[in-house]
Amino acid sequence: SAVISQKPSRDICQRGTSLTIQCQVDSQVTMMFWYRQQPGQSLTLIATANQGSEATYESGFVIDKFPISRPNLTFSTLTVSNMSPEDSSIYLCSVRPFVNTEAFFGQGTRLTVV
Amino acid sequence: DAKTTQPPSMDCAEGRAANLPCNHSTISGNEYVYWYRQIHSQGPQYIIHGLKNNETNEMASLIITEDRKSSTLILPHATLRDTAVYYCIVRVVPYNFNKFYFGSGTKLNVKP
Repeated sequence: SAVISQKPSRDICQRGTSLTIQCQVDSQVTMMFWYRQQPGQSLTLIATANQGSEATYESGFVIDKFPISRPNLTFSTLTVSNMSPEDSSIYLCSVRPFVNTEAFFGQGTRLTVV
Repeated sequence: DAKTTQPPSMDCAEGRAANLPCNHSTISGNEYVYWYRQIHSQGPQYIIHGLKNNETNEMASLIITEDRKSSTLILPHATLRDTAVYYCIVRVVPYNFNKFYFGSGTKLNVKP
């Protein structure tokens, strides 16, 4: 299993500012994933964070808006840049330690942009 | 995107079995079916997964049809705490085997 800690758990931010979300895992994992969940919606994959290389972004998401760092095998950050009210969502970190095993999720960061 | 189809919502009486269906007609031979649930304001929680055989654990049972084009998650004795959105997930393409794409899920309402 894997235990994931996300910080902050929630924040209220002014539009035009940026917020960096941290994700810490209690074991080393190759790939970490970032999801967005807009109000009342399902989870949407933003990107895959690979240690030692640039993140891989899904269609509709770009590095300038959601820069990701992955400095080691247990930690990653997602930055939401130049925020607007449309960025108000829950952002979740996930890991899947091995092929054909389950994925583990953090409790999410609830972001409100005003 | 995830190629699964689930009903948007279902009701279940407390203490009764909850049967949640999922259609995945384009599933390929090496793709697993996973079930997760998300209780309000929490991160998704793993429930069960399977390839072609029926699976059971302490939380639920997973029944996969012989042609693997559909599956059913069974919560044998639903409680109020089982009220959540339930997601059926199938890996989309072989080289993306580590990624999970979520569909819209089924909102299960367990009623007293």
